[in-house]
Amino acid sequence: DIVLTQSPDSLSVSLGERATITCKSSQSLLYSSNNKNYLAWYRQKPGQPPQLLISWASMRTSLRESGVPDRFSGSGSGTDFTLTISSLQAEDVAVYYCQQYYDTPLTFGGGTRVEIK
Amino acid sequence: EVQLVESGGGLVQPGGSLRLSCAGTGFTFSLYWMNWVRQVPGKGLEWVANIKQDGSEKYYVDSVKGRFTISRDNAKNSLYLQMNSLRAEDTAVYYCARDRGGADPYYMDVWGKGTTVTVSS
Repeated sequence: DIVLTQSPDSLSVSLGERATITCKSSQSLLYSSNNKNYLAWYRQKPGQPPQLLISWASMRTSLRESGVPDRFSGSGSGTDFTLTISSLQAEDVAVYYCQQYYDTPLTFGGGTRVEIK
Repeated sequence: EVQLVESGGGLVQPGGSLRLSCAGTGFTFSLYWMNWVRQVPGKGLEWVANIKQDGSEKYYVDSVKGRFTISRDNAKNSLYLQMNSLRAEDTAVYYCARDRGGADPYYMDVWGKGTTVTVSS
C-alpha cells in the first residue's frame, strides 16, 4: 500500500500569513504515460465532511464547482507535494488531508490541523 | 443541487450486521465510481471500499475484506454497504463520496454528511 506522510501534524499561523503543508509518498505518484501526479488535497472543517480543494497535485477545484478560493495552491511531483494557503483566513481553520489515487487501496495522509495563532 | 445522503447507521453489538445506504441526487449517478470512506471521531480518514459505475469492479481495504460488501442500484441512484461481523474498531462516521474517475477511481469531489456506526455491547 502507498503510505502518505503529512507534516507537520499541526500548524499555528497568524491571520493573513502563509501556511504550508507537505505530503510525502512512499512511492512516486507520477504516471509516466500522461505526466500527471495522482494526488488530491481536501479540507475538513470542524463538524463537516471533507471538501475537495486540489486534484492532480496542482489543479484547484473550480469556483463553479465548489467555491475553492484562489489562495489555495498545490505543487510538487513524484513523491513530494505541498499545499499552500497564501493568506490564512479564519474559515481555513480545519484539518487538511492529502489522498493518492495512483493505486488501490486509495490512501489518505494522517492530516494536518491548521489553527489561528 | 448535487447531494449525497447517507442513512442506516446506528448502534450494533460486536458480531452484528448493519446496512448503510447512500442516495444520490442532482447528478447522473450511473456515470460515477462511488466510495465509502470512514472516520473514527477525532481521527483521520480511511477509505473503505469503492465500486465502478456498472458494479463490475469492487475494491476494499484489507481490514474489511470478507466482512463488508459494497453494491449499488443505479435505477434507484443508491449506494450500499453491507457490514457483517462488525467489530469495535469499525466504529466510525461513514461517508459516501462520489468519485471523479472514469475507467479507474480517482479523487472524491462530492461527500455526504455521514452516518455514524457504533459497535458496542
